[in-house]
Amino acid sequence: DQQVKQNSPSLSVQEGRISILNCDYTNSMFDYFLWYKKYPAEGPTFLISISSIKDKNEDGRFTVFLNKSAKHLSLHIVPSQPGDSAVYFCAASPRWDNFNKFYFGSGTKLNVKP
Amino acid sequence: EAQVTQNPRYLITVTGKKLTVTCSQNMNHEYMSWYRQDPGLGLRQIYYSMNVEVTDKGDVPEGYKVSRKEKRNFPLILESPSPNQTSLYFCASSTRQGKRDRGQNTEAFFGQGTRLTVV
Repeated sequence: DQQVKQNSPSLSVQEGRISILNCDYTNSMFDYFLWYKKYPAEGPTFLISISSIKDKNEDGRFTVFLNKSAKHLSLHIVPSQPGDSAVYFCAASPRWDNFNKFYFGSGTKLNVKP
Repeated sequence: EAQVTQNPRYLITVTGKKLTVTCSQNMNHEYMSWYRQDPGLGLRQIYYSMNVEVTDKGDVPEGYKVSRKEKRNFPLILESPSPNQTSLYFCASSTRQGKRDRGQNTEAFFGQGTRLTVV
């Protein structure tokens, strides 16, 4: 059973608008969360992360929100650009497990329309 | 330039013919791992290594072997490939979690992927 879930396989957004990608997890021992972006024919690249001691982390147009009580995190992209079109993976890491093991969601394909 | 290099990028092989996918990183990372990506399942860890000569199974290790004789290299070996191992494979490396405690990112760096087809 997947411990990290991305329930929306795809999302389509107009350029300039906000993109919101969601991720849910089941294991309360996860304490570090990351978002990766993947273009076709390339490996995933790190986008932004958040530790469980925070509820928000910003980096330019990208903001990750963490709601520990709901075991939910989201990635906001504002404003969305066509170059943001990619598959986004959510990942979580537990402190107790072999250090740096990451559990990944199944990904959400974002399409930003010009 | 910091990078993880996988070879080959694409491979078509026949059932039962042993193959090796190589992975090399130039960041002196202790931790390396292999993932496979399948539709609807995301990235699942196959094997990982915490350092030289230290390897262990991930979530889907059946049918795979690994070795870590040098810090920079972590090859994935399929002794007798089967069609259900047709997948997209990624190698990743990262540094120790301890650095996360000091506020430093410990994200994994991924290779470009190897598209394997077993017929």
